[in-house]
Amino acid sequence: EVQLVESGGGLIQPGGSLRLSCAASGLTFTNYWMHWVRQAPGKGLVWVSRINSAGSITGYADSVKGRFTISRDNAKNTLYLQMKSLRAEDTAVYYCVREGTRVEFDYWGQGTLVTVSS
Amino acid sequence: QSALTQPASVSGSPGQSITISCTGTSSDVGAYNYVSWYQQHPGKAPQLMIYEVTNRPSGVSNRFSGSKSGNTASLTISGLQAEDEADYYCSSYTGRSTAVVFGGGTKLTVL
Repeated sequence: EVQLVESGGGLIQPGGSLRLSCAASGLTFTNYWMHWVRQAPGKGLVWVSRINSAGSITGYADSVKGRFTISRDNAKNTLYLQMKSLRAEDTAVYYCVREGTRVEFDYWGQGTLVTVSS
Repeated sequence: QSALTQPASVSGSPGQSITISCTGTSSDVGAYNYVSWYQQHPGKAPQLMIYEVTNRPSGVSNRFSGSKSGNTASLTISGLQAEDEADYYCSSYTGRSTAVVFGGGTKLTVL
């Protein structure tokens, strides 16, 4: 059974930094592109970032480009999202998501809440 | 990258059929058949319902179907059931570095 378990969320002051982790199990982690998708309270889903299976290709939403960095450790089956210069509008549940073979998001973690507030 | 356009809400009675539209552009929905649909119940993670416009993952009811015409994709749910009440989101591949764009979401109410 595929499991994606996020951690690292919490309350952080504006301008601060936070690193999210996503531990993957039940899949051959090195075979898949991985993504982060976020959802602000009461709002819709927003794509944040992606990384290829080798960790050599990344992409970011314009709203986080230059502030967030996606990475992965294939030896540890773990995906990361380093977030810096956090803003109130970054407040959201952050989901770790596996991309299937047809650019579909077939497995989602339970999400981790990041709250940016003073 | 602008979000895909979905109606904010739709409703239907048990047993009826409803359709949710998802309108993009010739750079996303119109350009690729990588359109997916997700169901999200309150407090839960989204669940994949349709991928590649028309395909259902294993375990998803055949009451759910997808289609596309031009820049607009659609999700149809037939034989509405109370458990279908949820938020639904479409997504499309964009072919750009921003990769994927979601719709704003549609709240389905089963009357």
